[in-house]
Amino acid sequence: AQKVTQAQTEISVVEKEDVTLDCVYETRDTTYYLFWYKQPPSGELVFLIRRNSFDEQNEISGRYSWNFQKSTSSFNFTITASQVVDSAVYFCALSEAASGTYKYIFGTGTRLKVLA
Amino acid sequence: GAGVSQSPRYKVAKRGQDVALRCDPISGHVSLFWYQQALGQGPEFLTYFQNEAQLDKSGLPSDRFFAERPEGSVSTLKIQRTQQEDSAVYLCASSLKGQPQHFGDGTRLSIL
Repeated sequence: AQKVTQAQTEISVVEKEDVTLDCVYETRDTTYYLFWYKQPPSGELVFLIRRNSFDEQNEISGRYSWNFQKSTSSFNFTITASQVVDSAVYFCALSEAASGTYKYIFGTGTRLKVLA
Repeated sequence: GAGVSQSPRYKVAKRGQDVALRCDPISGHVSLFWYQQALGQGPEFLTYFQNEAQLDKSGLPSDRFFAERPEGSVSTLKIQRTQQEDSAVYLCASSLKGQPQHFGDGTRLSIL
């Protein structure tokens, strides 16, 4: 069955520290997509990145980087030199091509608190 | 507007009342999704539309939940005879087919 696990419920760091948010997924589909979204206190889910199952290249975007490893079914997210504005709940999600709808299966989220 | 718009932002209803939640997707997006997000949890899928066709309603928790998108744009999620367990944030998302979903701010529903 499909599942996304974010074992870290809450993480607190001091500004400028690096922090990694873990995501482990389960799927039987060979074609799938993985996502990270940010949910600030306002509530809107903000898209950060999508990776497909055939592309294991790591990606860097500014202070953000993502490590996709199919061997361990993980898609981890690292914020370098964290800032207070990074404080939010971060969700990892899975979408399977076989669903036909590309609906998301979300993890339970990791609340990140960056302290000044 | 440029993004997904949901209304109302907040809704308080008494147990047993019917409620209707509206979603205005991004223009041109054929795919529309509804999710339910309980406090402290990740969003859970409710239903999916491709244009006006409701292709997947496997996530609707009971027959009290009903969604429609009659002209392939605006969608309404209706909950009949509300129960306290229906209290949650209801998120709408739209996308081009197979592309990342864009979410609205959600409707926070409180059932008293």
